Amino acid sequence: DSGVTQTPKHLITATGQRVTLRCSPRSGDLSVYWYQQSLDQGLQFLIQYYNGEERAKGNILERFSAQQFPDLHSELNLSSLELGDSALYFCASSLGRQGRDEQYFGPGTRLTVT
Amino acid sequence: GNSVTQMEGPVTLSEEAFLTINCTYTATGYPSLFWYVQYPGEGLQLLLKATKADDKGSNKGFEATYRKETTSFHLEKGSVQVSDSAVYFCALSDDSGYSTLTFGKGTMLLVSP
Repeated sequence: DSGVTQTPKHLITATGQRVTLRCSPRSGDLSVYWYQQSLDQGLQFLIQYYNGEERAKGNILERFSAQQFPDLHSELNLSSLELGDSALYFCASSLGRQGRDEQYFGPGTRLTVT
Repeated sequence: GNSVTQMEGPVTLSEEAFLTINCTYTATGYPSLFWYVQYPGEGLQLLLKATKADDKGSNKGFEATYRKETTSFHLEKGSVQVSDSAVYFCALSDDSGYSTLTFGKGTMLLVSP
């Protein structure tokens, strides 16, 4: 158990809908990262937050957004969903803002768009 | 940009066989290198890491050495077990200071008794 929790575990929704994925980092970690894992694209970094602020952005679509709250949990919002958004979404957390922190991954949320 | 290339799988071995999974990378500066493992239905677990050239990361019988001259970080294990069956991901974190990970596509390992 990494100490990172994600809810829900599974999510099935229709095209055009909007969903919210939730992540709670390990106790003491200030950074949260979101990754998408799909069969065709592999594991891709989406976005990073540190202590409530956005720190780095990867291949995140404009239809997707995220935030980190004062209690350090994070939410990833996916809107106007398309079939191609079906994937595993992982959250990871690490201690700090810079450097080569080890990242600890949650169990993931499997999103299926029908 | 940064990239990681891994050998394609699946790699199929018998128990107690020797394992090598090749990984090469492209990055500017001095990245940190990682191997993560994903067991079926689970998230990624950090297996080992190396932060500078010639460092050897090791854990649970797995080893990998950071070779800057060949930009490689090959994963090895002397004697695999059935329980090692999983998908293995090589990853790098560059020295930009943001710690974001760039992953390879993953290599599935299947170990039979």
